Amino acid sequence: EVQLVESGGGLIQPGGSLRLSCVVSGLTVSDNYMNWVRQAPGKGLEWVSIIYSGGSTRYADSVKGRLIISKDNSKNTVYLEMNSLKVEDTAVYYCAREADSSGYPFDHWGQGTRVTVSS
Amino acid sequence: DIPLTQSPSSLSASVGDRVTITCRASQTISNYLNWYQQKPGKAPKLLIYAASNLQSGVPSRFSGSGSGTDFTLTITSLQPEDFATYFCQQSFGTPYSFGQGTKLEIK
Repeated sequence: EVQLVESGGGLIQPGGSLRLSCVVSGLTVSDNYMNWVRQAPGKGLEWVSIIYSGGSTRYADSVKGRLIISKDNSKNTVYLEMNSLKVEDTAVYYCAREADSSGYPFDHWGQGTRVTVSS
Repeated sequence: DIPLTQSPSSLSASVGDRVTITCRASQTISNYLNWYQQKPGKAPKLLIYAASNLQSGVPSRFSGSGSGTDFTLTITSLQPEDFATYFCQQSFGTPYSFGQGTKLEIK
């Protein structure tokens, strides 16, 4: 059974930093494309970032230069380093696996971790 | 960037009804279009991938169609557990994008 378990969220002041983790079981991050998607309170889904199996990365313009995706293949874990946080980064952050199949959908999701940026 | 326009933003329907949700891309995305269902407090769940393929375990009352820029999600014979919010998503290229969502409510 595939499981993705996020952690590391919490309350942080504007300008602060936080690191989210996504521990994966049932598949190997070294072989998969892994994404972070967020959802602000009462809002829709927003794609944040992807790390490809080879380690290259892409970001949404809204987070470029402040959020950094990485992974540790030995720990089968994906990270999202969040710096210079803004109030508008407040959201539930989901980790999601992108299937390497037709349509490249996000077929496995974690339960999410909540980040609140507020003074 | 490829914005997706989803309509309607909300929809009231009754158990047993047939409903259709549309998603329009700002440029052609071939069939790189996926549909998700989300219930309050839960992660999204994949329903349809590559525009028209039913994800394993999803009831056959869900179907998808379209290609290029215009796509639809159809639910036939609505069941109580189908009342949720639905999102389309394009995987044609990064930055990936989602539609703004359609909240399906009980009439």
